[in-house]
Amino acid sequence: AQKVTQAQTEISVVEKEDVTLDCVYETRDTTYYLFWYKQPPSGELVFLIRRNSFDEQNEISGRYSWNFQKSTSSFNFTITASQVVDSAVYFCALSEAGSEKLVFGKGTKLTVNP
Amino acid sequence: EAGVAQSPRYKIIEKRQSVAFWCNPISGHATLYWYQQILGQGPKLLIQFQNNGVVDDSQLPKDRFSAERLKGVDSTLKIQPAKLEDSAVYLCASSLRTKGRGETQYFGPGTRLLVL
Repeated sequence: AQKVTQAQTEISVVEKEDVTLDCVYETRDTTYYLFWYKQPPSGELVFLIRRNSFDEQNEISGRYSWNFQKSTSSFNFTITASQVVDSAVYFCALSEAGSEKLVFGKGTKLTVNP
Repeated sequence: EAGVAQSPRYKIIEKRQSVAFWCNPISGHATLYWYQQILGQGPKLLIQFQNNGVVDDSQLPKDRFSAERLKGVDSTLKIQPAKLEDSAVYLCASSLRTKGRGETQYFGPGTRLLVL
């Protein structure tokens, strides 16, 4: 069965600090897809990134970067030089080949203080 | 391009009452999903439609929850009768198609339900 674990429930940082959000997943499939979503206080889930299991290249998008390591079943998310607007709950999610169902972790609440 | 629309944004009802939520997906998206998000948890899939057919409703409590997508566009999720534990945010999402290849799902703003 598929499972996503986000061990960090809450993280608090000061603006301009770097912060890494951890995500560990479990699946028996060799083909699967990993996602990160951001949920600001308004409640809407905002798509950040999608990765398939065959692409282990790390990705950078502005201040955001993602580190995918199949050897440790992890897909971690780093925000560089955090800003107050980054404050939100961040969810990691997994879907397996043949199913579009997203299985989410419990989320990590990030608070960036000025 | 307009995103996923949902209404109402908030709803307060008493237990044993009924309630309905509406969702309009992104134009051209064939697949529509309803998720339930309980406070402090990640969203959990309730039902998935491909056009107007059900793909997965294995986690839908069918004794009280129902959903339809009659014309393959917008969808309605109903709860009857509501229980206290149904208090949650109901999120609708859509994706372009269903091919089991991890299509990106785009979410609406959600409906916050409080059952008293």
